[in-house]
Amino acid sequence: GAVVSQHPSWVICKSGTSVKIECRSLDFQATTMFWYRQFPKQSLMLMATSNEGSKATYEQGVEKDKFLINHASLTLSTLTVTSAHPEDSSFYICSATDPYRVFREQYFGPGTRLTVT
Amino acid sequence: DAKTTQPNSMESNEEEPVHLPCNHSTISGTDYIHWYRQLPSQGPEYVIHGLTSNVNNRMASLAIAEDRKSSTLILHRATLRDAAVYYCILFGGATNKLIFGTGTLLAVQP
Repeated sequence: GAVVSQHPSWVICKSGTSVKIECRSLDFQATTMFWYRQFPKQSLMLMATSNEGSKATYEQGVEKDKFLINHASLTLSTLTVTSAHPEDSSFYICSATDPYRVFREQYFGPGTRLTVT
Repeated sequence: DAKTTQPNSMESNEEEPVHLPCNHSTISGTDYIHWYRQLPSQGPEYVIHGLTSNVNNRMASLAIAEDRKSSTLILHRATLRDAAVYYCILFGGATNKLIFGTGTLLAVQP
């Protein structure tokens, strides 16, 4: 199946700093990528839809100025957590769809664990 | 978004079949039924999907009720590596968005 990678797999940062997480589709071009957040023992929560060459669409309640998303190429989307605080500590997961696959199943990255101290 | 209802948890013994139920009484005619699973500390993984007919692939089978208001994911022989949270999600229409519910935590006993 298609492969989506994320980098880094884990990161620890100090409160007030910014952290960038990369999501790459390795063997297909993804016009659309998605960013999720998952707290311990909870389900995935969709944060935003990232569209190549245009602005991301954020879900209700997600601060777009805090979670900056850039989808500058067909294989790369980035999520920047700005001025991170301990409550932003979470597991961040991206996914991508191959537009040439009819049924549009999503391929997920392995996730990035962010810890803000 | 049409919602699904799944049991919070289930248990199975290794090498036995597992039937994971999902209710989706408000499903619309264009909704596909997708199943994903998430192993601990990993991103979700696509398992199977269907529309009206039962489906089989190398990972599992999907049995869909005739009225499409429920479905069952079937793992034919559970292994320890199948221990995961299984999510049943309705997917269709103009959006590509997957909205995850709480899923079913499957425990597999040796």
